[in-house]
Amino acid sequence: GENVEQHPSTLSVQEGDSAVIKCTYSDSASNYFPWYKQELGKGPQLIIDIRSNVGEKKDQRIAVTLNKTAKHFSLHITETQPEDSAVYFCAATHNTNAGKSTFGDGTTLTVKP
Amino acid sequence: EAGVAQSPRYKIIEKRQSVAFWCNPISGHATLYWYQQILGQGPKLLIQFQNNGVVDDSQLPKDRFSAERLKGVDSTLKIQPAKLEDSAVYLCASRSAGEANYGYTFGSGTRLTVV
Repeated sequence: GENVEQHPSTLSVQEGDSAVIKCTYSDSASNYFPWYKQELGKGPQLIIDIRSNVGEKKDQRIAVTLNKTAKHFSLHITETQPEDSAVYFCAATHNTNAGKSTFGDGTTLTVKP
Repeated sequence: EAGVAQSPRYKIIEKRQSVAFWCNPISGHATLYWYQQILGQGPKLLIQFQNNGVVDDSQLPKDRFSAERLKGVDSTLKIQPAKLEDSAVYLCASRSAGEANYGYTFGSGTRLTVV
């Protein structure tokens, strides 16, 4: 089955700096890669996603990149703010698994004011 | 649109007791998932439903866990008997059947503590 590894497990940045979280996946059939943000006491919330036919996608301060050949994808947050502090999860999904997503173990991002 | 509703929010039970969790997905969402999230880890799939049928329950510990989705709407997840290692947050998520590549909408989860 699919295996997703996520790094780093913790990340601390100064407000205004950039943050990068990286994930690798094992199953070349995976074709959809969502990113979720989980705040304390809440369920994960989808913040951005990327499909395998696209190399990069941007939404305001967040962007995702995908390298299918190397089977890795990354989340980039620019101009970080204290409210970006949360746990971020990457996931890999493919249609032949009926849309089942396999998650990484998360990155705890702390943005210091 | 209303989100995914889960109850209870918290539950504390003794080992060997039984417990049940309830999930009401977003209206019209045909696909429903139960995930287990142990502290410090990512969510792990327990079971996936398409309408009221099971699509994948390969990771469900069937000797103690059971789940159903009668009428293809609400779902319940049961643990009987509970073990200490079942302490986790149980997340329910749903998505529309037509959104094969879309992300999930998660509920807030039920935090289970087994003592």
